[in-house]
Amino acid sequence: DADVTQTPRNRITKTGKRIMLECSQTKGHDRMYWYRQDPGLGLRLIYYSFDVKDINKGEISDGYSVSRQAQAKFSLSLESAIPNQTALYFCATSDLRGESTGELFFGEGSRLTVL
Amino acid sequence: AQSVSQHNHHVILSEAASLELGCNYSYGGTVNLFWYVQYPGQHLQLLLKYFSGDPLVKGIKGFEAEFIKSKFSFNLRKPSVQWSDTAEYFCAVNARNTGFQKLVFGTGTRLLVSP
Repeated sequence: DADVTQTPRNRITKTGKRIMLECSQTKGHDRMYWYRQDPGLGLRLIYYSFDVKDINKGEISDGYSVSRQAQAKFSLSLESAIPNQTALYFCATSDLRGESTGELFFGEGSRLTVL
Repeated sequence: AQSVSQHNHHVILSEAASLELGCNYSYGGTVNLFWYVQYPGQHLQLLLKYFSGDPLVKGIKGFEAEFIKSKFSFNLRKPSVQWSDTAEYFCAVNARNTGFQKLVFGTGTRLLVSP
């Protein structure tokens, strides 16, 4: 089983609909992240969380919200989806305890298409 | 703010050719550097990372990268590529001024290896 699990893996929706992407992890890491990947743009950070009470905006947070329901769960919501939010979304975790370097561990991605 | 530049967006090579992918970053302080690989349809996986010590880092599958601090570079190399190396490669950096907590990615280099 994957250490970082994302659901759904694929979703097609219509403009204006509310969408939630969920992420859960079994790595025991405190830090969780949401990135989106677009062709030619690489990965861009949407939101990140360092513990259950800590939520931070990334470089492209407009149109998105997140919830850290537990140490192991971090969900991303699109309140009213629009076509330019069509992308591949990745959840990731990291652990900065001890000798960790901030390396990210990624989920398998959620492909979202907004029509 | 830190940024990462990957100048080669698409690279096409024949099997057994040598590979070098460029990566430059903008931050002048202490950094950790990473190369991730994304095989078609898969999530990102770590190839190698540098955080201290020998600036020549060896990773999985015969890849290596050299950290040249004076040039703010962390180029990825492989002496002889294989068809199975076809993938997208991302350079990434985190910095001490953010507690090594936010990983910034380059836009990626798509490598196609022809048999």
